[in-house]
This record gives sequence, structure tokens and C-alpha cells, in this order.
Amino acid sequence: DQQVKQNSPSLSVQEGRISILNCDYTNSMFDYFLWYKKYPAEGPTFLISISSIKDKNEDGRFTVFLNKSAKHLSLHIVPSQPGDSAVYFCAANGGKLTFGTGTRLTIIP
Amino acid sequence: DAGVIQSPRHEVTEMGQEVTLRCKPISGHNSLFWYRQTMMRGLELLIYFNNNVPIDDSGMPEDRFSAKMPNASFSTLKIQPSEPRDSAVYFCASSLGGTQPQHFGDGTRLSIL
Repeated sequence: DQQVKQNSPSLSVQEGRISILNCDYTNSMFDYFLWYKKYPAEGPTFLISISSIKDKNEDGRFTVFLNKSAKHLSLHIVPSQPGDSAVYFCAANGGKLTFGTGTRLTIIP
Repeated sequence: DAGVIQSPRHEVTEMGQEVTLRCKPISGHNSLFWYRQTMMRGLELLIYFNNNVPIDDSGMPEDRFSAKMPNASFSTLKIQPSEPRDSAVYFCASSLGGTQPQHFGDGTRLSIL
């Protein structure tokens, strides 16, 4: 029973364009959401988070949007850069973190 | 500042052997987490500690797995006896607790032959 789902295993985006990564969840008790970025042979690195009382949080090129009624969150990266190529995990906090299965983002130069 | 340090980075051993994975959390962090990543199940939480006390071990797959945190700067995850299906990447993470983000080590890639 996957409570956090990332339905796109991979995504390719042209450099300079916007990358949009999506995440859906089923548990309405989740109150905090995070995005992590992972390079090969390294651990996940925290990127950005959002509380359930907000619908948007922005940090530089990264913006996370939360739609509680749809139980959906998305990460926007603009403009996309080659160094953004990585696997992105969304995670939801309901006392402990539950991770999605990840989306591999490839930025095409 | 040093991040979360895990050792060894790679471990290859034969089925039936005991395996011990080690983790040094970030100094000052009071929560420590052990995760396992596999292709089939993704990143799943095995156990977490708060102030060196195990809080939730519901993710530990079976009695062959055990974890300890004897002090604030060290934790171990032990598998005895190991089986081929235990092959995975094991991550340790630490945080300041609450909604503070978890910081991950670079993982131990475990292969059981």
C-alpha cells in the first residue's frame, strides 16, 4: 500500500526550461512534505519542504506547490540546469517520513 | 561540518554471515533513522531512535535484523544471519527532530552472495 506515489519514473527536460515533478499521497494525516534530490552513490539531499498550512514555498529556482484537496504536490525547477539531473524523491511526514519511489530527471543541454 | 558518516561503503559477504553496518550522526542531532533502499520497495524506514531510544522498529523486516544506539554519536544495524534477499543499499540519517529535515549518509551497499 503506497501512501506516497510518484507516477513518472523518469522525465527529460531541455536546459533552461521548467521541470515539473509530481507527487500524490493518500493519507490526509500527513502534515509536512519534503523533496529530496539524489545523485548516484550518494545519499538523498534535502531540497525544499512545505507545511500543510501553506500552498506554496519558494527557494531560488525551486518552488513546491501543495494542493491538499487533491492530495497532490509538485516541485517546479526553473530554469533547469544540467546539474539538476538526479533522482528526486518526495516524502511525507505523518510522524515518520514516507518516501515516494522517485523520478529520474535528466536535463538535456 | 561533517555530515552523517556510514561505514563500510560496500560490503560483500556470504549468506549466513553476520553483517554490521555503522553510522555516526551529525553532532547535536537527536534523531537517527535507518533506511533500506531496493528496486522493488524503494526507500523504506527500518527503525528510528530519539535521544538514543528506539521509538519505532515496525519497519524491521524480521528478527534477523537488530539496531542499537549505545550513545548519541554511534549506531549499528546488524543482520544475523544474512540472506541474499537482504542485498540493498542501507542509509542512515539524522535530524534535530520534529519537522526538521533528515540528513542522509552516503549509504552502505550490501551484497549477500
